[in-house]
Formats: sequence, C-alpha cells, structure tokens
Amino acid sequence: DTEVTQTPKHLVMGMTNKKSLKCEQHMGHRAMYWYKQKAKKPPELMFVYSYEKLSINESVPSRFSPECPNSSLLNLHLHALQPEDSALYLCASSQDDGPADTQYFGPGTRLTVL
Amino acid sequence: GEDVEQSLFLSVREGDSSVINCTYTDSSSTYLYWYKQEPGAGLQLLTYIFSNMDMKQDQRLTVLLNKKDKHLSLRIADTQTGDSAIYFCAEIDRGSTLGRLYFGRGTQLTVWP
Repeated sequence: DTEVTQTPKHLVMGMTNKKSLKCEQHMGHRAMYWYKQKAKKPPELMFVYSYEKLSINESVPSRFSPECPNSSLLNLHLHALQPEDSALYLCASSQDDGPADTQYFGPGTRLTVL
Repeated sequence: GEDVEQSLFLSVREGDSSVINCTYTDSSSTYLYWYKQEPGAGLQLLTYIFSNMDMKQDQRLTVLLNKKDKHLSLRIADTQTGDSAIYFCAEIDRGSTLGRLYFGRGTQLTVWP
C-alpha cells in the first residue's frame, strides 16, 4: 500500500480565516513533505519533516505553519492567506529522508483564497 | 539546484507510441523519476531508474537513460486516451543529505482517438 491521504479535497477561505490541511500515511514512512503547485507549473517544495522534526523550510511565509504531531500525520495551518496563495497543496512521504527514498504523493487539497 | 528540462507538449494518436524526453544536469549518480498528473489530481509515481542503469521496462512503460548525454526518455506503448495527462520528470539531489526532488516543467500529453 503506497497511499497518502489528504483532507479536505477542496477548501475555500477568506483572507481572515484560519484553516488547516491534513495529510496522513500509514506506510511507516519517516519523512513527510508539503509542496505547493500553481496551475501549469511543477510542484514547489515548502517543508520537509524528518522523524517528526522540521528539517527544511524553503523560506515559506509565516502565514503557513506546519505541524507533525506524530510519524503518520502532517498538518499545514493556514492564517491570513492572500489570494496568490490559491494553489494545489500536495503532501508526500518517503521511507526516509535520503536521496534514494522515493516520494509518494497524496491527491492534494485545492485551496482557493478569496 | 539541479536543472531538469522537458518539452511542454506532445500529441499522439490512440494506439501509437509516445516518447517523452527529459534532460538533467546532475553529474553524480542519481535517481530519476517519472510522475503522472491527471487534471485536478496529485502526482502518481510511474517508474524510476537509477543512473547506473540503461533501461527499465514495466508493462507499457520503457525508460531509457543515456548517461553520456544526461538524457532520459519515457516511452508509452499503445497509448490510450486515459494516458492523457501531464508527465513530470524529476531528479533527486544526491548532493543533499535530504531527498530534495527537482522537477521539470512537465509535458502535457494529449491522446487523440
């Protein structure tokens, strides 16, 4: 089983709202990732968690706040977003965080900021 | 960072073979991936190859690697309309302690009936 699940599938929020995206995997993977993908573009790495610790933050604005409560779960807390933050947010996981570890992606959350 | 290049569009007729090309820049040993993305969906891992291999075949998919030219191709035999999607080539950064993926811009494959 190589399934990564994400909820919700779609999210519409105003610029003053607070919302969270959720990602879950039960493959025993120890590395989890958040990517942002704009239309017609490749995914852009935002954050990497390795063994439940934040190991990469790609200079993401503080209105995006990741959280890894346990090795199976990854959240992305959203607050005071801008319309340009509208995108597909993808979660991925891999066995470990090394270069030989294949990343498996979830279906994504389509976020619209009004 | 690594530089991964792909052509943006490819159109083929149903039943024909599709060949999607990619070039990469990492000169050290690396893993190279092909992901498929259908409209509104996430990325589906299709296949991957390590840079010490020349070829990998998996059912209708054949990956060819030319290490000298740093050229990777994905051949889809007997292409079907369900194969219409964006195909991303990606390279892992072996120079990093973390598995940072570098994606090409994606090739939009359109299959005509």
